[in-house]
Amino acid sequence: QQPVQSPQAVILREGEDAVINCSSSKALYSVHWYRQKHGEAPVFLMILLKGGEQKGHEKISASFNEKKQQSSLYLTASQLSYSGTYFCGTERPGNTGKLIFGQGTTLQVKP
Amino acid sequence: DTAVSQTPKYLVTQMGNDKSIKCEQNLGHDTMYWYKQDSKKFLKIMFSYNNKELIINETVPNRFSPKSPDKAHLNLHINSLELGDSAVYFCASSQQVFAQPQHFGDGTRLSIL
Repeated sequence: QQPVQSPQAVILREGEDAVINCSSSKALYSVHWYRQKHGEAPVFLMILLKGGEQKGHEKISASFNEKKQQSSLYLTASQLSYSGTYFCGTERPGNTGKLIFGQGTTLQVKP
Repeated sequence: DTAVSQTPKYLVTQMGNDKSIKCEQNLGHDTMYWYKQDSKKFLKIMFSYNNKELIINETVPNRFSPKSPDKAHLNLHINSLELGDSAVYFCASSQQVFAQPQHFGDGTRLSIL
């Protein structure tokens, strides 16, 4: 039931782009994205609700393909502050708001 | 002005003891959660309350008992602590149940000796 994220880890130089994927074997109601820096709490980035929906948050955007049960997080022109672990959380229809998180993708941005 | 606050931040105790973690949110949210994050960073839902009513109760040992005295508070009591309970416990809240951003507290780092 846990969504699968790929890749597990990414190392980038400042200014480079990255894509993090999140895939579920079950039908989804929504996909959430969070970023967690070391020793800190997860911080909400965005929620995607509809199939094909795309959202943006500065240079971070995401898409949700409801039919494929997949979501992707796009980080463009990465900054040092983007470093951290990114988690997707999936919510299934009728599941009373239960969020199941993927295993996380660790992103390291180097100068 | 902290939105979701947990106490204590660190908890070091011996096996077999009983401990409690407190959580308070000042966001006016209806829904609160407890998560456990293990050493491999796996973040797992434990419990959720909506308007003081338990709505999510995952497969958690019954040594863990949540309690919500009001909408703004959600506490977690753990009996007979075991080595495997060592983890970071996060409290979170959201405005409503479905498809809502969750605001996390800073976490309680529980270490069992």
